[in-house]
Amino acid sequence: GQSLEQPSEVTAVEGAIVQINCTYQTSGFYGLSWYQQHDGGAPTFLSYNGLDGLEETGRFSSFLSRSDSYGYLLLQELQMKDSASYFCAVPDPKAAGNKLTFGGGTRVLVKP
Amino acid sequence: NAGVTQTPKFRVLKTGQSMTLLCAQDMNHEYMYWYRQDPGMGLRLIHYSVGEGTTAKGEVPDGYNVSRLKKQNFLLGLESAAPSQTSVYFCASRGVGSTDTQYFGPGTRLTVL
Repeated sequence: GQSLEQPSEVTAVEGAIVQINCTYQTSGFYGLSWYQQHDGGAPTFLSYNGLDGLEETGRFSSFLSRSDSYGYLLLQELQMKDSASYFCAVPDPKAAGNKLTFGGGTRVLVKP
Repeated sequence: NAGVTQTPKFRVLKTGQSMTLLCAQDMNHEYMYWYRQDPGMGLRLIHYSVGEGTTAKGEVPDGYNVSRLKKQNFLLGLESAAPSQTSVYFCASRGVGSTDTQYFGPGTRLTVL
């Protein structure tokens, strides 16, 4: 099976930087994705890392180290609207349809 | 272009009742998925489909059935609802050849009394 571990909650102030770590155990590996979900809303795709290294998308960056089975999502210049839950996810390489297994989510609370 | 839509948005059932949740997508995506999300937890895959007329079991399929008679629609059925099925249900779709981007519907909040 596949499993992902990420911290349950992180609190930070506006303008700060937050790093959300994700470690995974998989029987094969195609890449690591990140999704954002605001309270009461649907998950939305943030980023994908198929290769080692850093991917930057505006204030958000995602990093992957396949040798360490580890990745992180970096949120910079935090804004109040970044208060949400963030999920890492990996596809199952053994199944057709690239079904995803999600981590339990990290709730980020941004304070003024 | 509505993306992924789900019907209904809210529903309350009594134990033993049945219902069907409808998911529709207008992006011509091959893959569709049904997840459930319990409070404070991640998403767990119930069933999924890799194309019209096909379905497969996910992580937590018991108590649910699905059908994909048309490419754009994916139905989730509860034959005999139980309180343990109280949850938020999300449908998602993904195109062939894309990265792991799944597009989610707004969710259905189901309460089973």
